[in-house]
Amino acid sequence: QSALTQPASESGSPGQAITISCTGTSSDVGSYELVSWYQQHPGKAPKLLIYEDNKRPSGVSNRFSGSKSGNTASLTISGLQAEDEADYYCCSYAGRNTFLFGTGTKVTVL
Amino acid sequence: QVQLQESGPGLVKPSQTLSLTCTVSGGSVRGDTYYWSWIRQPAGKGLEWIGRIHAGGSTDYNPSLKSRVTISVDTSKNQVSLRLGSVTAADTAVYFCAKLWFGGNWFDPWGQGTLVTVSS
Repeated sequence: QSALTQPASESGSPGQAITISCTGTSSDVGSYELVSWYQQHPGKAPKLLIYEDNKRPSGVSNRFSGSKSGNTASLTISGLQAEDEADYYCCSYAGRNTFLFGTGTKVTVL
Repeated sequence: QVQLQESGPGLVKPSQTLSLTCTVSGGSVRGDTYYWSWIRQPAGKGLEWIGRIHAGGSTDYNPSLKSRVTISVDTSKNQVSLRLGSVTAADTAVYFCAKLWFGGNWFDPWGQGTLVTVSS
């Protein structure tokens, strides 16, 4: 099992939208509607942003949205704000009761 | 609101066993709709799922760590424990516990994490 592939970094100016990709295989991302996304600020625990591919927990800004096509899931942050500068991780159920995280993406707000 | 707190030795010698405890407050470890998971993160690196346990005792582990990992639950103390044997420097990481929701399979909430360093 290899980690899901994410770009190492993405950046955008305040107010812009950015999209982070998360590429897996037909054995994980492509087989289940079970991708979740997490935001992690330095020195902090990850925070759930999206679950079941595109559902947003209560309390999470609607600027965060999730989608999926085939073996690639995506997280879009719209109306980028300074507080969105953080690391972002995807996670997928990988079958046989196991889970895979993505390699992580560092988001910089210019 | 459920809160999780990891605890345990911050320094472990190579070849020894790492032991950590996750204390759950504001809720019960018992439940049919969730598991409890351990996840780790080496400094400057990504997250790695270690394993999960249901309050009933059933466990699942990351295949790459399965031979060295044991996760257990103590319902009387509302705690979940992790043991990782034969540690090396590669096991140095921040270790998180998290609630894993059954069905949808998402991790929420997470504990703050605890740093474990493997060094002689």
